[in-house]
Amino acid sequence: DGGITQSPKYLFRKEGQNVTLSCEQNLNHDAMYWYRQDPGQGLRLIYYSQIVNDFQKGDIAEGYSVSREKKESFPLTVTSAQKNPTAFYLCATNTEGRDYEQYFGPGTRLTVT
Amino acid sequence: EDQVTQSPEALRLQEGESSSLNCSYTVSGLRGLFWYRQDPGKGPEFLFTLYSAGEEKEKERLKATLTKKESFLHITAPKPEDSATYLCAVQWGATNKLIFGTGTLLAVQP
Repeated sequence: DGGITQSPKYLFRKEGQNVTLSCEQNLNHDAMYWYRQDPGQGLRLIYYSQIVNDFQKGDIAEGYSVSREKKESFPLTVTSAQKNPTAFYLCATNTEGRDYEQYFGPGTRLTVT
Repeated sequence: EDQVTQSPEALRLQEGESSSLNCSYTVSGLRGLFWYRQDPGKGPEFLFTLYSAGEEKEKERLKATLTKKESFLHITAPKPEDSATYLCAVQWGATNKLIFGTGTLLAVQP
């Protein structure tokens, strides 16, 4: 069963704690992405990785960190430096070439109080 | 500033009442325009990719069209199960990154 898995589905943390969101894919795609979704706003890109051991900041990287040690995995850490961490976080991958398609995981809803 | 604007923000239809959603963009060097469907609490589901003006794609009751400045998602005879948020995104320049619109929340009443 191919696809993108994100865990957990819901995550609750206290303010000041770091938290790591998991994203795993078995689609054999090179590129992986993390987005944040807030009510009334479009998806915003946090970080992306085009290949193992390499990643770039997106539009809103402050307060977040990532790693890409394996092709299948792209975990996102939300640090205590992120001012408004409560959001719906989405991981994505894409196909390559002419028929470019970006696929999303089921998302993780993070609530920080 | 490169941006993507979707309208209307929300649309309520009666079952069987056809309509269109709009996605306008101001990026230069468009490489692709994408439509997604998103159900509450779930990740977006890919629907269509359009690459050039004049292109059309269909899937069941949905048809997507593209001009040089906008795209339309036509919904013919919608059913309640078509209720969802529809997202539009564009890919431009040399990057694989996408810019997303804020979506149109569609509600189809029986």
